[in-house]
Amino acid sequence: GAVVSQHPSWVICKSGTSVKIECRSLDFQATTMFWYRQFPKKSLMLMATSNEGSKATYEQGVEKDKFLINHASLTLSTLTVTSAHPEDSSFYICSARDFRTLNEQYFGPGTRLTVT
Amino acid sequence: AQTVTQSQPEMSVQEAETVTLSCTYDTSESDYYLFWYKQPPSRQMILVIRQEAYKQQNATENRFSVNFQKAAKSFSLKISDSQLGDAAMYFCACTTSGTYKYIFGTGTRLKVLA
Repeated sequence: GAVVSQHPSWVICKSGTSVKIECRSLDFQATTMFWYRQFPKKSLMLMATSNEGSKATYEQGVEKDKFLINHASLTLSTLTVTSAHPEDSSFYICSARDFRTLNEQYFGPGTRLTVT
Repeated sequence: AQTVTQSQPEMSVQEAETVTLSCTYDTSESDYYLFWYKQPPSRQMILVIRQEAYKQQNATENRFSVNFQKAAKSFSLKISDSQLGDAAMYFCACTTSGTYKYIFGTGTRLKVLA
């Protein structure tokens, strides 16, 4: 149980275009989802927290107009990188919290974004 | 604000031996949870072990155990009988009830030598 999927696993896009990454909880309802960014050989950096039906809460320094997060249902959150630039190239990981297990998060497999 | 510190960027252990990864944390909350995650080359985050702060007993999961020193705010991970498959990045994380946000340490890369 507690499986989180991400799609796509790898995406290449051209500079100036937008790309959407989906995060789904497959066998539980996720009241809260989190989006992280991870640079090579670095730790996970929390970008934003999203609650179903509410606006996402962004961490300090994260541009909310560039990284659009939507959490329209209890099983789906999306991250859209708008007007992507090469510096947005990174590994993006989502996680989801099952309200029944309180504080534990379940992680998706990640999405590698390359902007050319 | 919470902080999590992992002071060992890299550790090596001989196969079948025991290794301990260090983690210290700081939080002003009384209700918090601590985790160790493993991130292999696939980059999938895998939960290794969790510890509820209100529990005095150290958590154990097969070959993995923690030494939770609440007063010292220390949460080390011991891996016994190390296996080649244990080679990965290990992250310590802390979260509190209310925000549910994880604060991660910088990670420790574990190498297992055959």
